[in-house]
Formats: sequence, C-alpha cells, structure tokens
Amino acid sequence: EVQLVESGGGLVQPGGSLRLSCAASGFTFSSYSMNWVRQAPGKGLEWVSYISSSRSPIYYADSVKGRFTISRDNAKNSLYLQMSSLRVDDTAVYYCARDPVVGEFDYWGQGTLVTVSS
Amino acid sequence: EIVLTQSPGTLSLSPGERATLSCRASQSVSSGYLAWYQQKPGQAPRLLIYGASSRATGIPDRFSGSGSGTDFTLTISRLEPEDFAVYYCQQYGGSPPRYTFGQGTKLEIK
Repeated sequence: EVQLVESGGGLVQPGGSLRLSCAASGFTFSSYSMNWVRQAPGKGLEWVSYISSSRSPIYYADSVKGRFTISRDNAKNSLYLQMSSLRVDDTAVYYCARDPVVGEFDYWGQGTLVTVSS
Repeated sequence: EIVLTQSPGTLSLSPGERATLSCRASQSVSSGYLAWYQQKPGQAPRLLIYGASSRATGIPDRFSGSGSGTDFTLTISRLEPEDFAVYYCQQYGGSPPRYTFGQGTKLEIK
C-alpha cells in the first residue's frame, strides 16, 4: 500500500524557517517524481514545488521561488521542503504528492499544518 | 501561465441526480495533462480522472471526464451521498512546467 506521511509542521514567526519531511513507503520511491502542494485555510489547492526522481530538474511556483528548497533522499525514501523567509501567507496545510510521470498527483499524504504568525 | 476557471462555484443537487462540473482554461491544455480531484473536509484530495477522461484506480464508473482544448467537464451520472464534496481540476504544462488548479466547485446536498 502506497503511504506518504508528512511531518515537521508547526508554528513559526514571520521571517523564520521550517523543514518539512515526507516519508514514503509501499512503492519504489526512487522511480517517481514528487511534489509539494499546499492549501491555505478555507482556500483551494496551490502547487509549490516539483523534484524529479533523479533530483533534476526541480521547479518552483513563483510565490516560493528563492525562499523554499525541495530535496529528496532516495536511500531514505524521503522528500523534504526547506522553507525560509516565511510569510504569513505561507500558512497552509502542506501535502506531499506523487506524480506518476503523467502530470497529475495520484497519491497524497495527509498533510502537515504550517502556521506563520507572530 | 494557464488559468483554470471552474463553474459553477457551488452546485446544489440531490442524490440520484446528474452533476456536470466545468473547467475552462485560459489557453489550450494538452488533454494528456488535465486531471480532476475530489476533496472532503479534513481529507487530502483524491485523484478521480487523469488525461482528461481516464478514471484513476478504484474510481466508480459513475465518474467520467471529457473535453479538450480549453473546455473540460467532469460528470457524475447518479450522485451518491458520499459524492458531496469539493472538486478541483488541474493542468500541467508550460515552460518551465507548472501545475495549476482551478478554484474548485463545491457540490452540496440540496
């Protein structure tokens, strides 16, 4: 069974940093591209970042480019999102999601909540 | 950047009725890269349709997708109580590639 489990969310002050993790199991993690998608409270879905199975290429949404860094460790079956210079409007549930190489997200984690507030 | 506009914003129907949800793109979308998701409160989204018309694994055949170019449709043939949720369309494309979502359609019980 495919499982994606996010962790690392929490409360952080504006300008602060946070690192999210996503532990994958039930599939060959190293064969799949992965993404982060977020959802602000009561709002819709917003794609954040993409990383290919081989770590390159990497893409970011304009709203996070230069502040967020996606990475992965295929030996540990893990995906990461390093977030810095956090802003109040980064407050959201962050999901990791698998892309089966055809442009959609076929499996999602349960999400981890990031709250940016003073 | 391609913008996806979903309509209506809210759709009020009864179980057993047919639901038709629309997703319109600001530019032509490759049909291979148009997907639909269902999201219930407190849950992660679930993939329903990919490639504009292919059902994802385990999705009942009352869900169907159609369309091409800039106009896409998700149809639920006979609504079951568990189908009342928010539905999102999503596309992939551009250079550099981007994934974009529509703003969602809330399907509520009438």
